[in-house]
Amino acid sequence: QKEVEQNSGPLSVPEGAIASLNCTYSDRGSQSFFWYRQYSGKSPELIMSIYSNGDKEDGRFTAQLNKASQYVSLLIRDSQPSDSATYLCAVNRHSGGYQKVTFGTGTKLQVIP
Amino acid sequence: DGGITQSPKYLFRKEGQNVTLSCEQNLNHDAMYWYRQDPGQGLRLIYYSQIVNDFQKGDIAEGYSVSREKKESFPLTVTSAQKNPTAFYLCASSGQGVMFGYTFGSGTRLTVV
Repeated sequence: QKEVEQNSGPLSVPEGAIASLNCTYSDRGSQSFFWYRQYSGKSPELIMSIYSNGDKEDGRFTAQLNKASQYVSLLIRDSQPSDSATYLCAVNRHSGGYQKVTFGTGTKLQVIP
Repeated sequence: DGGITQSPKYLFRKEGQNVTLSCEQNLNHDAMYWYRQDPGQGLRLIYYSQIVNDFQKGDIAEGYSVSREKKESFPLTVTSAQKNPTAFYLCASSGQGVMFGYTFGSGTRLTVV
């Protein structure tokens, strides 16, 4: 079992729709969770972080965390063609005096105009 | 503006040659990281450093070396012992603690010729 699992996609949604990206993780000791957006050929950019169960909203983005189910998701409302990118889920825990961050392989999102 | 600068953007390595990738940050971050990204494999940790003059091996350190003589700088050397070095290399930094996400540099694309 991978430590952080994401569906590779592509996930295709029409412009204006809600895109739902999902991520599961195996380490119950994980403490913080991040979503990064990566455009083709570019480096990842941090877009959301969440630490507690529930929802966290920032503009068109909502991150959802359920630690009991070991599940974190990212919702993108009113999807735009500029949202087309690969979205990386990252899970962080403090272990042995250092941070251990594990990335998923990413979900490719395509927003169709 | 604060950020991370990686250079060069593209690098070509001949067989048996060592090459050094530069990473400089002015974010006053203590922690710095090197990742390698291959298609379909996500980000894999090569080395990380929490403080000056200290660094630790990541998951795929063989064939790589680093130094951390200054807080701002964390260069990565790809040695001739790395048999498959063609990849996208990403440097990142963060504040200390699990609440902090990463800031990534723009990456170096290394190709063996």
